[in-house]
Amino acid sequence: DAGITQSPRHKVTETGTPVTLRCHQTENHRYMYWYRQDPGHGLRLIHYSYGVKDTDKGEVSDGYSVSRSKTEDFLLTLESATSSQTSVYFCAIGSVSADTQYFGPGTRLTVL
Amino acid sequence: AQSVTQLDSHVSVSEGTPVLLRCNYSSSYSPSLFWYVQHPNKGLQLLLKYTSAATLVKGINGFEAEFKKSETSFHLTKPSAHMSDAAEYFCVVSAHGQNFVFGPGTRLSVLP
Repeated sequence: DAGITQSPRHKVTETGTPVTLRCHQTENHRYMYWYRQDPGHGLRLIHYSYGVKDTDKGEVSDGYSVSRSKTEDFLLTLESATSSQTSVYFCAIGSVSADTQYFGPGTRLTVL
Repeated sequence: AQSVTQLDSHVSVSEGTPVLLRCNYSSSYSPSLFWYVQHPNKGLQLLLKYTSAATLVKGINGFEAEFKKSETSFHLTKPSAHMSDAAEYFCVVSAHGQNFVFGPGTRLSVLP
């Protein structure tokens, strides 16, 4: 998985609680991305980062925030989890040219 | 704007027979195109990519894809399916290394 880890790998939480997912890379890539995967939708971009403290919204950013204080870490926070955020979340990294993305193993999140 | 259509949600082949997974794209720019594979409960692995070099692209595990601009297609093929090829396959389009757009996926089943 190209030096990408995600934690936790599985999480069950309750509606209304905050949740933070972590993506860590050892490749020193500039670009990092958070996606969610749902049946019939492929992967949809939530947020991405093009450098430390530089982030931008993706297609499905409502209800999510991100932070990147170090090159190697990209955090995704669900401010107040809802059942519609039950999904599998993937982190990806990209090189300077950003012409290819490499994916982490995923985090399965269940919101009850 | 970019979009990807994967024409079949599920393809079933017998072991040893050819595989064809179809992908059509729409892009306002010269696109980069990718195929990723996802085995059950795993992350996404890059199979191959097209980035404006040769139109016939060879990937890992015997897969290849041909970029046809006139048909806006990037179909994935393999001459002989193996049981280990059973997985979900995603076609992806991007422009200038930005805004990766995923298709909904095609599930490949390989029958003994």
